[in-house]
Amino acid sequence: EADIYQTPRYLVIGTGKKITLECSQTMGHDKMYWYQQDPGMELHLIHYSYGVNSTEKGDLSSESTVSRIRTEHFPLTLESARPSHTSQYLCASSEWPKETQYFGPGTRLLVL
Amino acid sequence: QKEVEQDPGPLSVPEGAIVSLNCTYSNSAFQYFMWYRQYSRKGPELLMYTYSSGNKEDGRFTAQVDKSSKYISLFIRDSQPSDSATYLCAAHSGGYQKVTFGTGTKLQVIP
Repeated sequence: EADIYQTPRYLVIGTGKKITLECSQTMGHDKMYWYQQDPGMELHLIHYSYGVNSTEKGDLSSESTVSRIRTEHFPLTLESARPSHTSQYLCASSEWPKETQYFGPGTRLLVL
Repeated sequence: QKEVEQDPGPLSVPEGAIVSLNCTYSNSAFQYFMWYRQYSRKGPELLMYTYSSGNKEDGRFTAQVDKSSKYISLFIRDSQPSDSATYLCAAHSGGYQKVTFGTGTKLQVIP
């Protein structure tokens, strides 16, 4: 099993709150990713990073931001949560050049 | 058109059946191909990884890539109820290119 962790696993929060979803991996992977996935739907890449101090926006527009200050840590922040942010957020990391991505267990976010 | 197309299913089979899951892709630069299994409310887990064309077998699972027809397959022999999940194919061209995922096929194995 891959060593990639996400906290919290579940979060229910009110509109307008600032939230940070945590993601950590102990595999020393340079690349990390955030995906958004609604139930039964496809994965949407929202952010990725090639390494420390590198962050890029993904294919799906998102109001979230990310940072990569340490190799093992890739948190995602929503400055002001809205009901439209309700979804599952999946973090992943990969090793170059195989690009096999290892996923965390996900954070299920509900914004009321 | 998506670069990786996958029938969303759902696909229902009886226990013990051979399951065939398929994807097609359009980007001829893809060289690396993966299959992931995702149980409900969990993150995807890597099942199979193949490079270029050919077959790869791991237990009851066989991944097959036909680059000439841009076709990716995953076969599951002696399917079990525990195989009930969504299966995602993925492809990558290498280097700093992003991995492209299919939409996933939901499989149900009925006891």
